[in-house]
Amino acid sequence: QKEVEQNSGPLSVPEGAIASLNCTYSDRVSQSFFWYRQYSGKSPELIMSIYSNGDKEDGRFTAQLNKASQYVSLLIRDSQPSDSATYLCAVNIDGGATNKLIFGTGTLLAVQP
Amino acid sequence: DGGITQSPKYLFRKEGQNVTLSCEQNLNHDAMYWYRQDPGQGLRLIYYSQIVNDFQKGDIAEGYSVSREKKESFPLTVTSAQKNPTAFYLCASSPGVRGIGPSYEQYFGPGTRLTVT
Repeated sequence: QKEVEQNSGPLSVPEGAIASLNCTYSDRVSQSFFWYRQYSGKSPELIMSIYSNGDKEDGRFTAQLNKASQYVSLLIRDSQPSDSATYLCAVNIDGGATNKLIFGTGTLLAVQP
Repeated sequence: DGGITQSPKYLFRKEGQNVTLSCEQNLNHDAMYWYRQDPGQGLRLIYYSQIVNDFQKGDIAEGYSVSREKKESFPLTVTSAQKNPTAFYLCASSPGVRGIGPSYEQYFGPGTRLTVT
């Protein structure tokens, strides 16, 4: 069973701090990795995609990928209360034979004012 | 505006009734998906379609049916055979049939909350 695992949290950080969200995956042939933000009662929103080892930055968000360790992370700098949400990690499986993604169960982030 | 629409936002049905959830996209995406999300749980794939007139079962297809007669539309029918149909249903689409990177980026509609009593 191919899996994506995340700590369910809640992860509590003070406003202005760096929030670090982690995700591990089991399928060694995975090539595409995504982070989604889901506010309570709403649908997931794609916030970051990463396809190569290393870091990818977009505004306050940085995605980090280490394929050798099968590990992907999301850093949120200068965390704001509006960042409080559940963050879902998603990974493409089957080596690209299909477009399917496997989603983790999400990490709940709470940013304290 | 380009995007994915789902209707209705809330749906209430009596047990034993079939119900169809609508999903439409104007992003010109080839692939479309249906997920179910239960409280405190992740997204579970019900059905997906990589191209018009073709679809495959996901992990929890029992009690559900779909059709893909048009590229922009992927309706989901929740049948009376589905044991626990009350859930938040999410439709998504992605650009490519196969490829790398952005082909796999899935974009979600606003969802439909189905309550069956």
